[in-house]
Amino acid sequence: DAGVTQSPTHLIKTRGQQVTLRCSPKSGHDTVSWYQQALGQGPQFIFQYYEEEERQRGNFPDRFSGHQFPNYSSELNVNALLLGDSALYLCASSYPDRGGAEAFFGQGTRLTVV
Amino acid sequence: KQEVTQIPAALSVPEGENLVLNCSFTDSAIYNLQWFRQDPGKGLTSLLLIQSSQREQTSGRLNASLDKSSGRSTLYIAASQPGDSATYLCAVGVISNFGNEKLTFGTGTRLTIIP
Repeated sequence: DAGVTQSPTHLIKTRGQQVTLRCSPKSGHDTVSWYQQALGQGPQFIFQYYEEEERQRGNFPDRFSGHQFPNYSSELNVNALLLGDSALYLCASSYPDRGGAEAFFGQGTRLTVV
Repeated sequence: KQEVTQIPAALSVPEGENLVLNCSFTDSAIYNLQWFRQDPGKGLTSLLLIQSSQREQTSGRLNASLDKSSGRSTLYIAASQPGDSATYLCAVGVISNFGNEKLTFGTGTRLTIIP
């Protein structure tokens, strides 16, 4: 089992550009969540996808959007990049059950906006 | 709004010592609590998951406890090793109206084990 995989690992973009990050969940997992982690901070919840729909959203502007595909993989899109969007973007997958859904994280994509 | 606090922000201890990391949260209506480890510039590795109905979980040298009523969790690391050096993050899981869970994280404790 490859676990949660994210691509690319590193990315440098110019302010104002658009970026797409990709995530493949752990085998058997159908729920994908995205988090943003600024340097020295804990991850902040962006949004969550289940059954190809956005189910929950954190306090992030509409410039942040996403998609989930039938194979449960997901994309995070950020438009009109700002310098403040520079961060580690983490994808987590889980399979909700009554016992409590353990979240597994990928290695992240380091986005630098210049 | 759920807030998660981890104290201390940084901790250095000699190799071989036992240590405790602390996590507190403001809203006791949680679904579960998860402890993670993060190496510099890397993703998160799940260490322990405690369901809301449980009091503790153990894995090897790690033991995590949960006291929902007081809004606290602790991660106990026995016989620390240099390889334990990392940032440890506590995350509280809350269920939405749709039945999906999201995690609220603390800012972590950066642990350094001195050989």
